[in-house]
Amino acid sequence: SQQGEEDPQALSIQEGENATMNCSYKTSINNLQWYRQNSGRGLVHLILIRSNEREKHSGRLRVTLDTSKKSSSLLITASRAADTASYFCATSQGGSEKLVFGKGMKLTVNP
Amino acid sequence: GAGVSQTPSNKVTEKGKYVELRCDPISGHTALYWYRQSLGQGPEFLIYFQGTGAADDSGLPNDRFFAVRPEGSVSTLKIQRTERGDSAVYLCASSLLRTGEAFFGQGTRLTVV
Repeated sequence: SQQGEEDPQALSIQEGENATMNCSYKTSINNLQWYRQNSGRGLVHLILIRSNEREKHSGRLRVTLDTSKKSSSLLITASRAADTASYFCATSQGGSEKLVFGKGMKLTVNP
Repeated sequence: GAGVSQTPSNKVTEKGKYVELRCDPISGHTALYWYRQSLGQGPEFLIYFQGTGAADDSGLPNDRFFAVRPEGSVSTLKIQRTERGDSAVYLCASSLLRTGEAFFGQGTRLTVV
């Protein structure tokens, strides 16, 4: 079963614009992670935010977490064509070690 | 190795055959995960190893699926009596810390014809 739901499911923007993706989840979590996937193969870890954190930055990435609303957002600033990919949120819950992924969101950055 | 290695990268097999998919994790990573991803979906958890033991196999869909990690490093996912519905990309990931960042391999695309 999949816990996270990314929103929107697809987003198309121009290079240089910002891209915001949202993730909602259902149960309490240990942490929430964002991954990127190109061409439907290996996933690349982008950023991890723990349940006691509210905001985190990494380069052009900014992630927020609102545990009261069970939601997270990923902001990519000054997007580039190379950011074109599918993005997934994944949660780690309770005593379980597994990551539960959402269905993903396809971002297209047009040059 | 430098990253998680999965072999083969592609596998085509006939319905009813047995297949083995191999995962070589990052050296020193004690946690190893198998996921399955169908087209247009997110990765679906199959099984998690901590060391040699399967700590959580709740995602294995049925008893045709089995995975081992005998020496706490390389893992093999085994699928018996394959069915067309088993066609998917099988992803392996390893992690150094519990509930930390997972490093994924490029996956094995399994096609059952």
